[in-house]
Order: sequence, then structure tokens, then C-alpha cells
Amino acid sequence: DMKVTQMPRYLIKRMGENVLLECGQDMSHETMYWYRQDPGLGLQLIYISYDVDSNSEGDIPKGYRVSRKKREHFSLILDSAKTNQTSVYFCASSLGNSGNTLYFGEGSRLIVV
Amino acid sequence: GEKVEQHESTLSVREGDSAVINCTYTDTASSYFPWYKQEAGKGLHFVIDIRSNVDRKQSQRLIVLLDKKAKRFSLHITATQPEDSAIYFCAVNVGDNSKLIWGLGTSLVVNP
Repeated sequence: DMKVTQMPRYLIKRMGENVLLECGQDMSHETMYWYRQDPGLGLQLIYISYDVDSNSEGDIPKGYRVSRKKREHFSLILDSAKTNQTSVYFCASSLGNSGNTLYFGEGSRLIVV
Repeated sequence: GEKVEQHESTLSVREGDSAVINCTYTDTASSYFPWYKQEAGKGLHFVIDIRSNVDRKQSQRLIVLLDKKAKRFSLHITATQPEDSAIYFCAVNVGDNSKLIWGLGTSLVVNP
């Protein structure tokens, strides 16, 4: 069905709490991404995963970690959330890693208070 | 590092007119230039791309032009419709092709 699904869509957490954002795709895409989107900063790459257990830091990995144990699932974990991690997080997937189309989820809005 | 500048932060056009969004980049090695559309509260959706081996590509009402000498590429939307209203992002590949650097987006409003 060519879909990227993100859960949860909205989340409010207290500073210091752990956050788990989950992403699934049904296209058997090898490559998956986590981005955050902030006004005035555009899209920033947090992590990229080239396949199961093959993850690489993006441009802003500090404060985040990821897990990819199955090709169709890619999780973003915030251990001890900070207020500056309030953002909209987007997961995306693509076939291979050679400049192919990215398919995005609908986003997860995280507010850290 | 590589930068992508999206020149118009907002653009307002009348329905039926053309809209043009311009982006410039810094890395002469860049070879892949996609455009994405984001409607309010949604994720990004691919609209069209161009690779460095051509200088023009068209898909229905969308045209992408690439000027490698000027390191500039542009999205032209012809015969605009209200449903074209959205934020449009340009991007450029860096290093291995799976990494993209994104422009800050252009908010296009098509007025009926």
C-alpha cells in the first residue's frame, strides 16, 4: 500500500521522561530516516538506517538513539527528554540509498514540558 | 558544508497563473535535486526530481529546470490550482546519495 506509519501522532512528556517514537513501512525499503522539523530550521536529519542494525548518525544525533531490528520498523528513542526536543518528528523510507524517492510518515508532534 | 538556499519563503499567485520557486546550492558534486510538497499538518510528498545529466524535466503541470553553472534549480508550477497551495521544499544530495540537505520551504498560496 506504500505507506509509512508513525505512532504516536501526538505526545506530551515531562522533562527527563523517556520517549519512544515508532515508525513502520510496508514497502520493504532498506533505508529509513528520522528527521525533525522546526520553524526556521527546516528538516534536520537525526539518524539514517541502511538496513537492520545498520544505523548511522545524521546531522543532529545528540540526545537521540535509534533501533532497527526488523526491516519494516525503525524506532527513535529519547532518553531523558529535554524541552529543546519539542518538535515534529518525521520518519521516512526509501528504496536503496541512491537518491531515490523518500516516503514520509504524517509526523509525530512531541511536546516536552 | 553543503547549503541549500530556497529564495522565496512565501509566494502568492492567482489561480491559473504560474508559480516559480528557486533554489541555489553550493556543492558542485551534487547530482540529485528533488522537490517535495507538504500540506498543512501532513508529511512531505515527493512531487518531481531532476538529475544532473539533464537540465529540464516535466511532469504534467510541473517543470524543473537545472542550471549547473549557476548552481540553481527551480520548480515551475503552471496553470496553478487552489490545491497546489502548500509548502514546497527543495533538496540536494550530499556525499552518498541517501543524504539530502533541505531548503527551508516556500509557502505557496493560490488564490481563487
